Amino acid sequence: DQQVKQNSPSLSVQEGRISILNCDYTNSMFDYFLWYKKYPAEGPTFLISISSIKDKNEDGRFTVFLNKSAKHLSLHIVPSQPGDSAVYFCAASEKGWGKLQFGAGTQVVVTP
Amino acid sequence: DTEVTQTPKHLVMGMTNKKSLKCEQHMGHRAMYWYKQKAKKPPELMFVYSYEKLSINESVPSRFSPECPNSSLLNLHLHALQPEDSALYLCASSQVVNRGNTEAFFGQGTRLTVV
Repeated sequence: DQQVKQNSPSLSVQEGRISILNCDYTNSMFDYFLWYKKYPAEGPTFLISISSIKDKNEDGRFTVFLNKSAKHLSLHIVPSQPGDSAVYFCAASEKGWGKLQFGAGTQVVVTP
Repeated sequence: DTEVTQTPKHLVMGMTNKKSLKCEQHMGHRAMYWYKQKAKKPPELMFVYSYEKLSINESVPSRFSPECPNSSLLNLHLHALQPEDSALYLCASSQVVNRGNTEAFFGQGTRLTVV
């Protein structure tokens, strides 16, 4: 049973434009959400996170939005750069640490 | 230093072999994890250690045996694996928090091929 879902397996965006990645979850006990970026044959790299008590967190070009009532979060990357081309995983946890549940990932391709 | 180091990076082993994967971190994290990632799939949790004690085992077959000899090291001992166990094995670490949240930091992974 997939408790974290990323329904878009791929996203293509032009350099300089905004990338919007979406994630839905079903477990209302999740209270901490994270986005990881992954290049092939490497481990996931932490990007940004948000606690369930917030609805927005911003770090440079990355902003994560959380809509608890809809059990939905999104990652905005602006402006998109070629180096952003990677697989992005949404992850969620209860109590802020421990078992991370990952979504299936979204492959982002940033074109010149 | 936010580095989690895994060795080896690549491993090919036969079904009768015994091998070990190693993971090391020096961030003072007291939670360490093993995840398994198959191609085109998300990482899946295998084990969680908290303060060097096994706290979560996600019904992993006994041919995978984790060990946490100290707060910086995490091993995964492999024995009698099957070809379907071929995957990227990821180690991660994080703080243990009573309140609030913390992120997990991942190593580069060990690409395991069972022949």
